[in-house]
Amino acid sequence: GESVGLHLPTLSVQEGDNSIINCAYSNSASDYFIWYKQESGKGPQFIIDIRSNMDKRQGQRVTVLLNKTVKHLSLQIAATQPGDSAVYFCAENFASGGSYIPTFGRGTSLIVHP
Amino acid sequence: NAGVTQTPKFRVLKTGQSMTLLCAQDMNHEYMYWYRQDPGMGLRLIHYSVGEGTTAKGEVPDGYNVSRLKKQNFLLGLESAAPSQTSVYFCAIRDGSKNTEAFFGQGTRLTVV
Repeated sequence: GESVGLHLPTLSVQEGDNSIINCAYSNSASDYFIWYKQESGKGPQFIIDIRSNMDKRQGQRVTVLLNKTVKHLSLQIAATQPGDSAVYFCAENFASGGSYIPTFGRGTSLIVHP
Repeated sequence: NAGVTQTPKFRVLKTGQSMTLLCAQDMNHEYMYWYRQDPGMGLRLIHYSVGEGTTAKGEVPDGYNVSRLKKQNFLLGLESAAPSQTSVYFCAIRDGSKNTEAFFGQGTRLTVV
């Protein structure tokens, strides 16, 4: 999602709940999307990806949904755990001058309460 | 974040000082990127390189220079640091394929006073 000012959108959930994090992307021509997880004090790490010829992809406890019509991505985390607390970014490999640039959304902070 | 090493991890600079951040990779990837991360702003691309000897400007290049003299290293320079450059800097690498993810370093926290 989008954020205004210095504060990221925040999602607070209870341990064991399912979490859904949403993201809007900018370029209708992009055909590869990635979700990254960033824990405090660390760099972003790859979680799951999806190509534009798919609308759903599942990993271990995570599912990514892609709606190309409205340029929307979502990340679903099943049975959320305290270790899932982090900032989550969606990204697209944006085509620019013959190369592809990972371009990031602003991020969503997920807080999991025990 | 195996494969991408950033040095230093922390630095405090005075306004007007210069410094160089080093990103080193051992994954033999073609693409290297420098991002800055500020509160509420996500990751913004400063400069990037698609191969040894090549560099290009990103979204926020002003006040920074880069060099990629060797494939495994990507240097980010601040010639005259300003307080607005206080940020966390991340290096990322990616192979040359279209549909692949990026690997990030642990970040460099820079404060300019």
